[in-house]
Parts: sequence; structure tokens; C-alpha cells
Amino acid sequence: DAGVIQSPRHEVTEMGQEVTLRCKPISGHNSLFWYRQTMMRGLELLIYFNNNVPIDDSGMPEDRFSAKMPNASFSTLKIQPSEPRDSAVYFCASSLGSGEKLFFGSGTQLSVL
Amino acid sequence: DQQVKQNSPSLSVQEGRISILNCDYTNSMFDYFLWYKKYPAEGPTFLISISSIKDKNEDGRFTVFLNKSAKHLSLHIVPSQPGDSAVYFCAASHQTGANNLFFGTGTRLTVIP
Repeated sequence: DAGVIQSPRHEVTEMGQEVTLRCKPISGHNSLFWYRQTMMRGLELLIYFNNNVPIDDSGMPEDRFSAKMPNASFSTLKIQPSEPRDSAVYFCASSLGSGEKLFFGSGTQLSVL
Repeated sequence: DQQVKQNSPSLSVQEGRISILNCDYTNSMFDYFLWYKKYPAEGPTFLISISSIKDKNEDGRFTVFLNKSAKHLSLHIVPSQPGDSAVYFCAASHQTGANNLFFGTGTRLTVIP
């Protein structure tokens, strides 16, 4: 029974390049979340989808960040252009619905040089 | 502005002893609290939760205590085992659900054999 699947596991890129992180939520889950983990701020919610519709993107730091969920089994988080301060671990999580327990993927370690 | 704070970045405990991890929050509207556990190279996994109508919730070796007047909660692990070594995140939400889940910065627990 596969959990939340994220790719790539690691991404190293140069400043100014476009970065795309991918997520496949658990089948049947209708809520999907993108989090960013940093030492200073812990886990921050970037954006939240319910039934493929973005509900709350107030955590997206800048216009350089965008997220899509074209269908129930796939989501992307894009950073364009990337900057060194974007370096962090990005987690995708899914749940059965609002208020339900979150299941996290293994994360993408992003390094922007 | 961190609404959930874990002021101890790390904690070391001898195997068999009690581990106490602390968490403070600032928002009096929070009414549901959770602890997540994270191993290296994995995503956080749900450990235990407590609603604000309770002051204690127990699940095996894990007990969470909530002091609403002090806006403080703690996670007790007894007896501690080497496999408990991980980063523990405290999280809080309003009743509206997981889309409002606020995480702390985490405490790294090391259980020494």
C-alpha cells in the first residue's frame, strides 16, 4: 500500500533555474498539502488543495512559487526562478479530508546554489 | 511569527528513563494538538493527539498533557527506547481542520542505550 510519493528525493540546482517538485497523494485522499521545513521556522504550510482546488495559498512566500493539482493523483510545486534562500526540505502530505490525520511523503531536499 | 514553539532543539535521555518534550503556543483559538515523529530521510508520521476538552491522552508508552491556562503541552515517553530517537514536532489547529495546522520547529530526541 503506497504512501505519499514525492520526486525527486534530492534536487540541486543553480540560482535562477526553474525547479519542479512532484507529489502523488494516497489514493482516495481528497486533501493535499505542500509544506516547507527549515531550521528556523519548522514546518510551514505553503498551500492546501481540497478536491484538486486550491483552498489556501496564503503560505506561498512569493510569486516565484506556484502549485497545481491537475487531477486527484498528481500535484506539482514550481519555483521559478529559484533562489538560494529557497533551499529547504519540501514535503507533500495528503489526508482523507479537512481535519483528518496527515500522511507525509519522504520529502524533497532542495539545494539552490 | 511562530505560533507554536518548541524551545528545546534537542534532548538526550538514557534508555529506560522518561523523555519529556515540551511545546508552547500563543493562539488561544487552538483547540486540537498533535505530535508527529520524524526519522531521518522520512516524512513526519502522526504519533498522538489531544483535544482541548481533555487534559491528558495516553497511548501505550506515549502520553500527552495539555495545560490550557499556560498554553503548554508536553509529550511523555516512558520508558524511552533507542528506537524513539527522532525529531518530534508539536502541531496545533483550530477546529476548522488540518488546513490550519501550525507546526513547531521540532525537538531532536536521542535515547542513549
